[in-house]
Amino acid sequence: ETGVTQSPTHLIKTRGQQVTLRCSSQSGHNTVSWYQQALGQGPQFIFQYYREEENGRGNFPPRFSGLQFPNYSSELNVNALELDDSALYLCASSSNSGDRAHNEQFFGPGTRLTVL
Amino acid sequence: AQKVTQAQTEISVVEKEDVTLDCVYETRDTTYYLFWYKQPPSGELVFLIRRNSFDEQNEISGRYSWNFQKSTSSFNFTITASQVVDSAVYFCALSIHLVVRSGSEKLVFGKGTKLTVNP
Repeated sequence: ETGVTQSPTHLIKTRGQQVTLRCSSQSGHNTVSWYQQALGQGPQFIFQYYREEENGRGNFPPRFSGLQFPNYSSELNVNALELDDSALYLCASSSNSGDRAHNEQFFGPGTRLTVL
Repeated sequence: AQKVTQAQTEISVVEKEDVTLDCVYETRDTTYYLFWYKQPPSGELVFLIRRNSFDEQNEISGRYSWNFQKSTSSFNFTITASQVVDSAVYFCALSIHLVVRSGSEKLVFGKGTKLTVNP
């Protein structure tokens, strides 16, 4: 186990609703990255948070937003849910020390979101 | 473009057979890292290996081995004497530097190869 936890495990929402997913990073890690994995696809980078600030973003619309808290846990918020948002959402924590040699990302178990 | 291609969508083998999963990558970075992850049906990504672009030595870990060839931009993964427990989806990934902050990176994944090992 990586020590990265996510909640909830599963979630069912209807189109147009809003959802918040949560991630607790591994002890000592200051960076959280979020990925979306649609069925049959590889994970796609949504964004990354480092010390409470967004540190890079993938090709996702603004209705995907995030937060990182002082304890380095993080939330992913998705507004105006669409059917295509149905996916496994993975978070990964890492310790960004400025040296890529030591920035390995550790993944949580994921939250499976179904939008009806 | 910076991307990872896993041309094999699905592979099915019989237990004890050797199997090789192919991975080809494209990147403009001179320093990068390559990864392999295993994803069982439960969904969690299990880390298998991380390889620095400057280290082209092949690596062996038990029944697993990896062949990194920079000249062909490939990072292939071989399972020797496959077992039923090896059945999973395997992802190859490439790290890409995030410009915002030094040292930060994101992962770009291939579409995965589903391996089924039959008894």
